[in-house]
Amino acid sequence: DAGITQSPRYKITETGRQVTLMCHQTWSHSYMFWYRQDLGHGLRLIYYSAAADITDKGEVPDGYVVSRSKTENFPLTLESATRSQTSVYFCASSDSPNQPQHFGDGTRLSIL
Amino acid sequence: QKEVEQNSGPLSVPEGAIASLNCTYSDRGSQSFFWYRQYSGKSPELIMSIYSNGDKEDGRFTAQLNKASQYVSLLIRDSQPSDSATYLCAVNMSGGYQKVTFGTGTKLQVIP
Repeated sequence: DAGITQSPRYKITETGRQVTLMCHQTWSHSYMFWYRQDLGHGLRLIYYSAAADITDKGEVPDGYVVSRSKTENFPLTLESATRSQTSVYFCASSDSPNQPQHFGDGTRLSIL
Repeated sequence: QKEVEQNSGPLSVPEGAIASLNCTYSDRGSQSFFWYRQYSGKSPELIMSIYSNGDKEDGRFTAQLNKASQYVSLLIRDSQPSDSATYLCAVNMSGGYQKVTFGTGTKLQVIP
């Protein structure tokens, strides 16, 4: 089925470890996004991508790295995880700037 | 001033009543407005998009946009317990890239 999938759904890791969250969409949407959602802050944009090989920072990019070599994939890497990065991470995609974004099911990440 | 503001609630309404959810935004140049519903532990799900002043109806949902006053609202008629969720307002701000800013959400409780 077409859609947007995130993996893993749940992840527990330790501070200092590298962790990569995966995002895959089958709609061929140009735009893809990574958000984190924390109580009291709502959804905050980490990084976004307008097309393959085009990425840019959002509101809270520090400590995160993204890449987009293929239109359908947009992995998010925490290079050296910190406890403050414990959060729920959502990937989203959209067809164009004025169209709504569609979200994956999220990854719940806990950093001990 | 927050870019997108919502009353966090909870907003409690009896079953069958009209629930009214409000959202104000700071960027007068904003062009696209979205309402998402998010059940606890789930990802945001698009309910409505609205782009021009006035009302837009879809089933029991009506989105209202007033750009002069910089607010957008969502009305839910004949509220059902299954409507109990957090409702996120999202605004596509003007600027050089797609910047959709989310409000922190209003929690709606529909009392049977």
